Amino acid sequence: DIQLTQSPSFLSASVGETVTITCRASQGIYNYLAWYQQKPGAAPKLLISGASTLQSGVPSRFSGSGSGTEFTLTISSLQPEDFATYYCQQFSAWTFGQGTKVEIK
Amino acid sequence: EVQLVESGGGLVNPGGSLRLSCAASGFTFTTYSMHWVRQAPGKGLEWLSCISSSSGHIYYADSVKGRFVVSRDNAKGALYLQMDSLTAEDTAIYYCARQALFGFDPWGQGTLVTVSS
Repeated sequence: DIQLTQSPSFLSASVGETVTITCRASQGIYNYLAWYQQKPGAAPKLLISGASTLQSGVPSRFSGSGSGTEFTLTISSLQPEDFATYYCQQFSAWTFGQGTKVEIK
Repeated sequence: EVQLVESGGGLVNPGGSLRLSCAASGFTFTTYSMHWVRQAPGKGLEWLSCISSSSGHIYYADSVKGRFVVSRDNAKGALYLQMDSLTAEDTAIYYCARQALFGFDPWGQGTLVTVSS
């Protein structure tokens, strides 16, 4: 089974900072990776599909890159509404990374 | 508006059963694969099951294989999850989600299942 490992698990940052979350796959998954944002009490929201395709309505400060086994989600100029938990998901078998919680410093 | 609405959650005794439903609207349900995902309290997301558009392909996570059964009624625009032999470890919010090209979108609001005596 393909495992996804996100790092870090927890991230403390200030408004305006740029943050990067990494997702590593135990085997190559081409670009079959999605990123989600989840806020407390809400369902996850798809941000990026196919490793780098920004979903409609998602602010351009979010970007994704990578292929094969290493992927990154970058949030440029962090905004107050971006503080949330982020998950990656692989589409070989739909499993998720363990999540990265982004909190306000 | 594309929408998914789950129902059927609640409190159930260990060893009991529950059937979750997911009502789809605003899109052509018959053309999409659908998924169930759960989230235990304070934990991450766990993919559970996938059913293809015509029900011809069905997949389960090892954690629920043999206990959970996914089905759909395309005429009604509905997705189901029959859950048997429930344990405390099945306590979670259960979400249904539509499969887009390489992402789940949208998700329902979730329904809470609590397994406790």
